[in-house]
Amino acid sequence: EVQLVESGGGLVQPGGSLRLSCAASGFSFDDHAMGWVRQAPGKGLEWVANIKRDGSEKQYVDSVKGRFTISRDNVQNSLYLQMNSLRAEDTAVYYCARLAQDTTYRHLDYWGQGTLVTVSS
Amino acid sequence: DIVMTQSPDSLAVSLGERATINCKSSQSVLYDSNNKNYLAWYQQKPGQPPKLLIYWASIRESGVPDRFSGSGSETDFTLTISSLQAEDVAVYYCQQYYGDPQRFGQGTKVEIK
Repeated sequence: EVQLVESGGGLVQPGGSLRLSCAASGFSFDDHAMGWVRQAPGKGLEWVANIKRDGSEKQYVDSVKGRFTISRDNVQNSLYLQMNSLRAEDTAVYYCARLAQDTTYRHLDYWGQGTLVTVSS
Repeated sequence: DIVMTQSPDSLAVSLGERATINCKSSQSVLYDSNNKNYLAWYQQKPGQPPKLLIYWASIRESGVPDRFSGSGSETDFTLTISSLQAEDVAVYYCQQYYGDPQRFGQGTKVEIK
């Protein structure tokens, strides 16, 4: 059974940093690209970033470029999102998701339960 | 950037009736080299993560009831629920994965009339 479990969310002050983690199990992690999607309270889904199976390609939404970094550890079967210079508008539930294949241009076929990030003073 | 626009924002349908949701992209998401539309549909129930329903615009994900179907090509797409069930109350999102940013539509809320 595919499982994606996010952790690392919490309350952080504006300008602060946070590192989200996603522990993957139940599939061959290094066969799949992975991604992060966020959802602000009461709002719709926003794609944040994708990373190819080997980490060689990464894409980001413009609003997080230069502030967020997606990475992965194929030995630990883990996905990460390093978030720096956080803003109030980054407040959201962050979902880890598996892409259907190894390339970053595929649909998201499995999702974690999400972790809440709140940016507030 | 490719902008995804769904319509309507919400709809109320009687149990057993058809629900139709539209999704329009600001440019074609049809990739000529493989003739595939890079368009997916997701369902999100309250308090739950999204769930994949349809990919490549018309391929139903394994385990998804056959009352859900997707159609369309290039810039205009439709998700149809042929006979609405109580468990289908949710917000539905389309997403293009043709180019970056891989945007979602704003969502369509489906309720029971």
